[in-house]
Amino acid sequence: DTAVSQTPKYLVTQMGNDKSIKCEQNLGHDTMYWYKQDSKKFLKIMFSYNNKELIINETVPNRFSPKSPDKAHLNLHINSLELGDSAVYFCASSPDREGYGYTFGSGTRLTVV
Amino acid sequence: AQKITQTQPGMFVQEKEAVTLDCTYDTSDPSYGLFWYKQPSSGEMIFLIYQGSYDQQNATEGRYSLNFQKARKSANLVISASQLGDSAMYFCAMTTSNTGKLIFGQGTTLQVKP
Repeated sequence: DTAVSQTPKYLVTQMGNDKSIKCEQNLGHDTMYWYKQDSKKFLKIMFSYNNKELIINETVPNRFSPKSPDKAHLNLHINSLELGDSAVYFCASSPDREGYGYTFGSGTRLTVV
Repeated sequence: AQKITQTQPGMFVQEKEAVTLDCTYDTSDPSYGLFWYKQPSSGEMIFLIYQGSYDQQNATEGRYSLNFQKARKSANLVISASQLGDSAMYFCAMTTSNTGKLIFGQGTTLQVKP
């Protein structure tokens, strides 16, 4: 049973399209995150939710909108996709905001053509 | 501002030898956590080891140990008895200020030679 599962694993889409990535965790964690890993492998946080409340919103274009219907799910919707959005997107969760116990999903490789 | 620096873009080590991956951090927050993650070519992020800023002893997990030198603000990862399967990218990361936000270094690519 995968602790943090993301779907899809791969996503190839055309510029201008809208797409969503789903994330679910079965660890009972209170906090969930989205990270972006760029082509140079650099990882940076995008968003964080704690019990469905947005607590971190880094300087991300507003084409990116996270949604947390409950504390086990955090989805990422991206509007009007651009070439520069191509990256690997990781979902993660942790029991609290201390960070210990962080668990990452396996990543979604998004390619915009 | 919080920052993690990994100065070794790439490292080689002979199988069965030990290797140290460097990490320095910068924060003014007295409470922080330091992490190491392994990312193999398959892409997943694998948690290796954690050190809290108030922990008195260096963390160890199997063949992994974290050499925590608080005054020098360094948190080097030591891998003993390297194995071919250790070839991967390794990231040092930090959380501060009770946000849960992980700040990552640039990563170090480790190649283990047979």
